[in-house]
Amino acid sequence: ETGVTQTPRHLVMGMTNKKSLKCEQHLGHNAMYWYKQSAKKPLELMFVYNFKEQTENNSVPSRFSPECPNSSHLFLHLHTLQPEDSALYLCASSQEHRGMDEQFFGPGTRLTVL
Amino acid sequence: AQSVSQHNHHVILSEAASLELGCNYSYGGTVNLFWYVQYPGQHLQLLLKYFSGDPLVKGIKGFEAEFIKSKFSFNLRKPSVQWSDTAEYFCAGLRDYKLSFGAGTTVTVRA
Repeated sequence: ETGVTQTPRHLVMGMTNKKSLKCEQHLGHNAMYWYKQSAKKPLELMFVYNFKEQTENNSVPSRFSPECPNSSHLFLHLHTLQPEDSALYLCASSQEHRGMDEQFFGPGTRLTVL
Repeated sequence: AQSVSQHNHHVILSEAASLELGCNYSYGGTVNLFWYVQYPGQHLQLLLKYFSGDPLVKGIKGFEAEFIKSKFSFNLRKPSVQWSDTAEYFCAGLRDYKLSFGAGTTVTVRA
């Protein structure tokens, strides 16, 4: 248990569905991250938030829409996804957003797009 | 271009064998490097990190890594593995304040 929780742990959705992934951290950190982990590919950074403000969007398609209402919660809203978006989506948090601190990862949401 | 690369995709070894996993980085400037591990069914967690100073870094669970600037490498080592070391290992480099991960190496330790 890292202090970072993610729900749901598994999600199956059709290409026309709208769903959301939720991440919550109980560590008092100021920065939160979304990563995509695909099979046999490096972990890809998607978004970075620092003190609720987005500081990084790593050329992510607009069908992925992040939301950070406060420093403890991070959402990833999904709509009109493609089958190639199927992957493990990981949330992480750290004390600050400049990467010097250890990032604590959640267990991930396994997403399957049909 | 990928700034961190890992040599081995899958390593299989027996208990008590020595382990070395390769990691190379391909960028200049300040170099900050990490090794993360993901045990089956568990979250990613930090094994060790290098920011500056002694190039030989000790981590948790008996792991160590050596930063060799001339070889652009940061290889992970453990002298004697256990079955519980079965996991996926990721090397990562900090660049422009962002972590860039390698593709990972799956390590299977046979009892």
